Parts: sequence; C-alpha cells; structure tokens
Amino acid sequence: IAGITQAPTSQILAAGRRMTLRCTQDMRHNAMYWYRQDLGLGLRLIHYSNTAGTTGKGEVPDGYSVSRANTDDFPLTLASAVPSQTSVYFCASDSGNTIYFGEGSWLTVV
Amino acid sequence: AQSVTQPDIHITVSEGASLELRCNYSYGATPYLFWYVQSPGQGLQLLLKYFSGDTLVQGIKGFEAEFKRSQSSFNLRKPSVHWSDAAEYFCAVGATGRRALTFGSGTRLQVQP
Repeated sequence: IAGITQAPTSQILAAGRRMTLRCTQDMRHNAMYWYRQDLGLGLRLIHYSNTAGTTGKGEVPDGYSVSRANTDDFPLTLASAVPSQTSVYFCASDSGNTIYFGEGSWLTVV
Repeated sequence: AQSVTQPDIHITVSEGASLELRCNYSYGATPYLFWYVQSPGQGLQLLLKYFSGDTLVQGIKGFEAEFKRSQSSFNLRKPSVHWSDAAEYFCAVGATGRRALTFGSGTRLQVQP
C-alpha cells in the first residue's frame, strides 16, 4: 500500500535555485493539498487542487506554484528559493471524509 | 475564516496518568473537527474525526474527543497514557464546502516513566 509518495525526502538548496517537490498518490482522490510545517505555527496550506486541471491558493501561496495535470500527481515548485522557505512540506490527499498525508519533504534553503 | 487554537504548546505527563489536550476552534457553522498525531520525523496520522452525530468520538490508540458546541472546543483525552504516545498532536477544523483543513499550532506531549 503506497498511499502518498513525496520526493525528495530531504534537500539542501541554494537560494535562488528552482526546486520542484513531487507528490504522487495512488488512491484516486480528487482533492490534494500542499502544506508547510514550521515550528510553533502548525501546518499552513500553500496550494490546493479540488480536481485534476484546477488549483487554488491557500494561506501562504507566495513564492510557490502548483500544477495538476492528472489525478495522481501534484508537484509543488519553488521558482526562486529563499531561506524563509526552509520548512517541512507535506502533500496530502482527500478521500472525501479523511485527509491522508505523505511522509514529508525536508527542505533547507541556504 | 476558521481558526484553531491549541493553548498548550508543551505538556508532560507521567506514564499511566490521564491526558487531556485542549483545542478551541472558531467557525460560524458546524465544523468538521480532527485530531492528528505526528511522531518525530514522520507524517501525520489521523486519530479521530467529528462530522456530526454523537459528540463523543472514539479514535485509534485509545483516544477520544468530545465536541462541545457551547464552548467551541474539541478536547482530546486518553485515560492512561503510554510512553509510545509521546508525539506532537494537532487539532484541525474543516469548513463546509472547503475541504482543506486549518490546523492549530500543535501540542507536544512528553511522557515521563
């Protein structure tokens, strides 16, 4: 049972570089989300997608973009990384009454 | 917009003692409420959820939570804590028509032997 797969697990990235965090789910859920987790702030929604072909902005979308070309994949792109984007990133998918999370991607921007 | 407050950043309890983690939410209508647990270096695991009906909800690992509309609360309880319960706990609220959740800032639970 795979569920949600995120890659990479961790990454150190130079400021100014472009980075894409990958997320794939095998549960055929329509809705998917990207959250970032920071100490003392809990999880904050970056972007969401209610179905393939549609995306929307969450609470903290600046500096990030997403695409949803198909049901399974929901990549998150940092066009030009900055140190404040150092965080743990979680992808999630929604069955309709339960949200499932991936294991997270630890990103450090230096 | 909805919001969640977890007033306790860090709680320490002795193994075998009872536990209550507080969660208060703000939302204009009936919310969907969740508790998740996160072990160090791991993703989030759903403990329990409330959508409607019985206000006392049973979850996995012996946890339960009670929805109290009058207090806008959804506190998590466990009668006897085990060392393996040490983790971070997140309360979250979902709104009708908006499926993404809003999370609290989390409560870190430490269990003393």
